[in-house]
Amino acid sequence: GESVGLHLPTLSVQEGDNSIINCAYSNSASDYFIWYKQESGKGPQFIIDIRSNMDKRQGQRVTVLLNKTVKHLSLQIAATQPGDSAVYFCAENSGGSNYKLTFGKGTLLTVNP
Amino acid sequence: DTAVSQTPKYLVTQMGNDKSIKCEQNLGHDTMYWYKQDSKKFLKIMFSYNNKELIINETVPNRFSPKSPDKAHLNLHINSLELGDSAVYFCASSPRGVAGSGNTRYFGEGSWLTVV
Repeated sequence: GESVGLHLPTLSVQEGDNSIINCAYSNSASDYFIWYKQESGKGPQFIIDIRSNMDKRQGQRVTVLLNKTVKHLSLQIAATQPGDSAVYFCAENSGGSNYKLTFGKGTLLTVNP
Repeated sequence: DTAVSQTPKYLVTQMGNDKSIKCEQNLGHDTMYWYKQDSKKFLKIMFSYNNKELIINETVPNRFSPKSPDKAHLNLHINSLELGDSAVYFCASSPRGVAGSGNTRYFGEGSWLTVV
């Protein structure tokens, strides 16, 4: 399968369940964060973003939570669907005005029907 | 219409060759990027251009030379290809070079480079 040899963190959920994907970021000065979804054979696709002056932001079926104290970001997906199966990346802007996005390791989400 | 398009999608070449990957965006964005994704899915920025000017160069070997003929195009030329250059290369663009809500980075579909 695709995950063999990748050594990515993995999360396996049942269709309809809620998913929570976690990310620890590295730079306490990072001011902007984005979650991306990458399906097999495709480029990363924007899901949701959040600025450092917020601790929560909601989109359609997705919520991002930011805890600056412990440098932690999470993505919650409600009512997970098979089409949500992908690798999910968090990214932080650690470059200030130069907008340098640094990506995290990625988490492979598998949704079982 | 594809927003960020890269060519070729697949490229297999021998060590020592020189190759180019082209990228075009039709979104009217000011800023373009090249990323490298390794076999472990780790995405690392290589270069960033804003209005044809280089603004980020992340300690990439000088065998890699980006060229931006205009702000809609950012090509990547690689000289003397090595086995370790095998990866997926992603082009991306964003409306401007400054972070902010809505300044989303749009990625192309990737170019799979295999050096044998």
